[in-house]
Amino acid sequence: QVQLQESGPGLVKPSQTLSLTCSVSGDSISSDFYYWSWIRQHPGKGLEWIGYIFYSGSTYYKQALYSRIAMSVDTSKNQFSLNLRSVTAADTAVYYCARTPGATTRFFDSWGQGTLVTVS
Amino acid sequence: SYVLTQPPSLSVAPGQTARITCEGDNIGRKSVHWYQQRPGQAPVLVVHDDSDRPSGIPERFSGSHSGNTATLTISRVEAGDEADYYCQLWDTDADFGTGTMVTVL
Repeated sequence: QVQLQESGPGLVKPSQTLSLTCSVSGDSISSDFYYWSWIRQHPGKGLEWIGYIFYSGSTYYKQALYSRIAMSVDTSKNQFSLNLRSVTAADTAVYYCARTPGATTRFFDSWGQGTLVTVS
Repeated sequence: SYVLTQPPSLSVAPGQTARITCEGDNIGRKSVHWYQQRPGQAPVLVVHDDSDRPSGIPERFSGSHSGNTATLTISRVEAGDEADYYCQLWDTDADFGTGTMVTVL
C-alpha cells in the first residue's frame, strides 16, 4: 500500500520560497500509471489543487499559481518536491501531497498526512 | 475552472441516509469524485468516476450523477461518518467543491 509523507519547514518568511518534499513508499514514483500532486488547504477552508508532476519531469500547474510554482522529481530517492516563490500570508495552509491515477478523469487516491506551513 | 457548489452542512440521525449534492454548470459530461475528511485528518477518496468505490470503502457509500448535479449517498449513517465531504472534477485544473460538513446527531 502506497504511503506519502510531506516534509519541510513549518515556518517561512514573507517573500521567501516555500520548499516541501514528498517521500513515497510502497510504490515506485517511476510508474507509468501515476502523476504526483500537491494540494493545499487554507485554515478552515476547502481544498485547492496546486499542480502535478510525472516521473519524467513533465509538469502541469494551476493557472493562477503558475508564475510562482516549480515542481521537481528525484526518482533515485522516490521523492518529489514543491517550490512556491514569493510567499505571502495567503500561502499559509496545510500542504498535502497525493497520488493521481493518470487517467483522463484525474482524482487523488492516496494522500499524505499533510504539513502546516505558516508564512510569517 | 468549475464552480462546484455544495450545501455547507447537513445533519443526519444514525441509521438514516445522507445525500450530499454537488452542483455545477454542465458537469453532466464530467466525472465526479468524492472525498471524506475527518477532523484533523487528510482527505480520503470514497467514490471516483461518479460511482466507483475504491477498495476498502464500505458499500454504504455510493455516488450518482444526473444532469448538473452529482450526489454522494451515505446509507445507514454511523457516528464515524461525521466529516467534511468534498466533490471534485477535472477540467483544465482539478476543481474541488465548497465542502459539506456532515453532522451525525
